[in-house]
Amino acid sequence: GQNIDQPTEMTATEGAIVQINCTYQTSGFNGLFWYQQHAGEAPTFLSYNVLDGLEEKGRFSSFLSRSKGYSYLLLKELQMKDSASYLCAVRAYGGATNKLIFGTGTLLAVQP
Amino acid sequence: EAQVTQNPRYLITVTGKKLTVTCSQNMNHEYMSWYRQDPGLGLRQIYYSMNVEVTDKGDVPEGYKVSRKEKRNFPLILESPSPNQTSLYFCASSSGEGTSSYNEQFFGPGTRLTVL
Repeated sequence: GQNIDQPTEMTATEGAIVQINCTYQTSGFNGLFWYQQHAGEAPTFLSYNVLDGLEEKGRFSSFLSRSKGYSYLLLKELQMKDSASYLCAVRAYGGATNKLIFGTGTLLAVQP
Repeated sequence: EAQVTQNPRYLITVTGKKLTVTCSQNMNHEYMSWYRQDPGLGLRQIYYSMNVEVTDKGDVPEGYKVSRKEKRNFPLILESPSPNQTSLYFCASSSGEGTSSYNEQFFGPGTRLTVL
């Protein structure tokens, strides 16, 4: 089966660093995405990993270990506007399809 | 502006009354997809389309139909809606350049559907 696990909720303080973990067990692997979703809004793309290692993009970084089926999203210098749900999604198939399997999301609350 | 649009944004209807949610993208994307999002279940794919006249079932297709007559449009049809289809629906599109690349999915603003 296909399974993606993330913590349901996390709380962090403004200005701090937070790490959101994602573990996956899928029938195949062809890339992992992180999306940010504010309440009632559409998910927006944050990062993409297909090879092992760290991808850095401003205040956001994402790490992937394919052998461990593990990824994390690192948010630095947290701001209040970072309060949102963070979705981990795996592209589990090859070929022409771009099907994504989503985790249930991690709701991050940033406190003053 | 590159975007995915959905209409309507909000809809309250009654059991059995056929409805269509439209989705349109202006990025010339080949791949389009419909998801529903429910608390505790995350985003689940309903149907997807890899190009005009090419559609296939996702993980939760029961009770839904789609069509892809034009590249830019991908409507979601509920022939006989039921209360368990009350959900937040998202349309998404992406380039069909293959799965070895970046190829992020762009999401529409969502349609909140309530079936009474």
